[in-house]
Amino acid sequence: EVGVTQSPATLSVSPGDRATLSCRASQIINANLAWYQQRPGQAPRLLIYGASTRATGIPARFSGSGFGTEFTLTISTFQSEDSAVYYCQQYNNWLPATFGQGTKVEVK
Amino acid sequence: QVQLVESGGGLVKPGGSLRLSCAASGFIFSDYCMAWIRQAPRKGLQWVSYVCSSGTTIYYADSVKGRFTISRDNAKNSLFLEMDSLRAEDSAIYYCAKIVQGDYYLDVWGQGTTVTVSS
Repeated sequence: EVGVTQSPATLSVSPGDRATLSCRASQIINANLAWYQQRPGQAPRLLIYGASTRATGIPARFSGSGFGTEFTLTISTFQSEDSAVYYCQQYNNWLPATFGQGTKVEVK
Repeated sequence: QVQLVESGGGLVKPGGSLRLSCAASGFIFSDYCMAWIRQAPRKGLQWVSYVCSSGTTIYYADSVKGRFTISRDNAKNSLFLEMDSLRAEDSAIYYCAKIVQGDYYLDVWGQGTTVTVSS
């Protein structure tokens, strides 16, 4: 099973600032990484797939980067509505396609 | 629009059973693998099970193997999860999700149904 580790566990960001979230895989997964956003009381929604491709309807302030084992999700200009838990998921090895433990992003 | 709606959650005693359902609409259900993902209170996301379009490719997490059974009815655009011998640690929100063809990330999620296992 591929381990996926996210950091930090919690991130406090002021509106208008940049937020940077990290995701590390325990082995090479190429670009087979997705990011999800889960707002309080809601189901997760797909933000990014293929490490860097935004899903339909996702604002341009969200961007993903990385390849191999190190990945980043960036929110370029944080808005209060972006307060949520963000999960990364590797799908290079899909038995199972493991999730990270999540990063909670909150308003500073 | 593409939609998944779960039902069937509830309160059950340890050792009991529940059957979850997921009604799909807005896409050709039979073309896609489908998954159940769960989230225990204040915890992260965990794959429970998935089944591919023909029903012959099935995965179960080790923690539910032998107790849970996934199935689908392509004629009724429905996904099911039969849960037996339930334990307290199975308490969670259970999400139905659509798996992208050729990859194993999830592009559509339902709103979830809550399962509570308690005496």
